[in-house]
Amino acid sequence: DGGITQSPKYLFRKEGQNVTLSCEQNLNHDAMYWYRQDPGQGLRLIYYSQIVNDFQKGDIAEGYSVSREKKESFPLTVTSAQKNPTAFYLCASSDRTGGSTEAFFGQGTRLTVV
Amino acid sequence: AQSVAQPEDQVNVAEGNPLTVKCTYSVSGNPYLFWYVQYPNRGLQFLLKYITGDNLVKGSYGFEAEFNKSQTSFHLKKPSALVSDSALYFCAVRDGNTGFQKLVFGTGTRLLVSP
Repeated sequence: DGGITQSPKYLFRKEGQNVTLSCEQNLNHDAMYWYRQDPGQGLRLIYYSQIVNDFQKGDIAEGYSVSREKKESFPLTVTSAQKNPTAFYLCASSDRTGGSTEAFFGQGTRLTVV
Repeated sequence: AQSVAQPEDQVNVAEGNPLTVKCTYSVSGNPYLFWYVQYPNRGLQFLLKYITGDNLVKGSYGFEAEFNKSQTSFHLKKPSALVSDSALYFCAVRDGNTGFQKLVFGTGTRLLVSP
């Protein structure tokens, strides 16, 4: 099956810990994205990558880091510097970074700080 | 910068009745417009998009959307609602200018279809 796989589905983090969310796609898409979803705020862009070994900050990048060493993988690390990390995180990909192409989404990871 | 407004937090409709979920947008160039649906604790599923051409766009699960340039709107519609349509709906816009353009989402509208 083609698609985007996010893992884990649920993740619990203690205060001061870094955690990494996995995102893998087998759609052969060049572009990948990370969004954060909070109730009543829609989706906000954290980071995006247009091509392997390149990525750019989105609107709310502080406290997060990413890497893009392989075309199919775009992991997101939530660092201890992120003051309010509890949220639903969505990874997406598209075959171009602009234009008319829609983005395809993974099933999400719900991160909770305990 | 592009933006999207979904003025209704929730829309209630009875099964079998037509439904409309509203969306207005703002971009500097030509808009590329998208509708997505989200079920609880799931990712977003693409429903339909407007790029150019006919103002009425047909998509998945019987949904359609009407692009109105003068009103900068892209309302989602369905002639006969189903209980299974109950979900969270997101409108999104991308500026059609060249180069990387972000996909900007609205805050979402919860659709509740009652039996």
